[in-house]
Amino acid sequence: AQTVTQSQPEMSVQEAETVTLSCTYDTSENNYYLFWYKQPPSRQMILVIRQEAYKQQNATENRFSVNFQKAAKSFSLKISDSQLGDTAMYFCAFMKHNAGNMLTFGGGTRLMVKP
Amino acid sequence: ETGVTQSPTHLIKTRGQQVTLRCSSQSGHNTVSWYQQALGQGPQFIFQYYREEENGRGNFPPRFSGLQFPNYSSELNVNALELDDSALYLCASKLGRGRTEAFFGQGTRLTVV
Repeated sequence: AQTVTQSQPEMSVQEAETVTLSCTYDTSENNYYLFWYKQPPSRQMILVIRQEAYKQQNATENRFSVNFQKAAKSFSLKISDSQLGDTAMYFCAFMKHNAGNMLTFGGGTRLMVKP
Repeated sequence: ETGVTQSPTHLIKTRGQQVTLRCSSQSGHNTVSWYQQALGQGPQFIFQYYREEENGRGNFPPRFSGLQFPNYSSELNVNALELDDSALYLCASKLGRGRTEAFFGQGTRLTVV
């Protein structure tokens, strides 16, 4: 079984600053995917970024980037130039290769961007 | 907008009752999964359907059951409701088993009293 741990229940950052959210996971699988999802007050989960475990290069999506350390089983999310609209719950999630839609989520980090 | 719609958005039921939650996915999304998200926690995987067959289940009792229909809609049924079943229920769908991006609905908030 896989486990995903987010050790920061809450974080805050000033608008335009950079913030890093932490995530560690435990698995015996070699082929898998990692995701960061954003859940605003509207409750709808939105995919922020994904990483394939077989790729050494860290994924980036505009202001969002990850630091994927496979040996350490660490997958942190960096948000650059934070915006007020980034305020939300952020969930780290794990999925085995060929597992369909079966995601294992962490407990979440509440991010508050302050003006 | 993810194209995944859940109904109802809110629901209050009494302990011991049965409830059906619905999810409408985008055309072609033949993989759908359901999650339970208790307040202040991350979503927990309930089960998954692929082409109308259950092909994965999390640590949930049999009173949680589901159906997937040919028109890409699905249902989550919960019998004998308990107070701990109070949660946000999310469905997520995706296009084919080889894809990785799941599209989530906005959830149904179930309160059991």
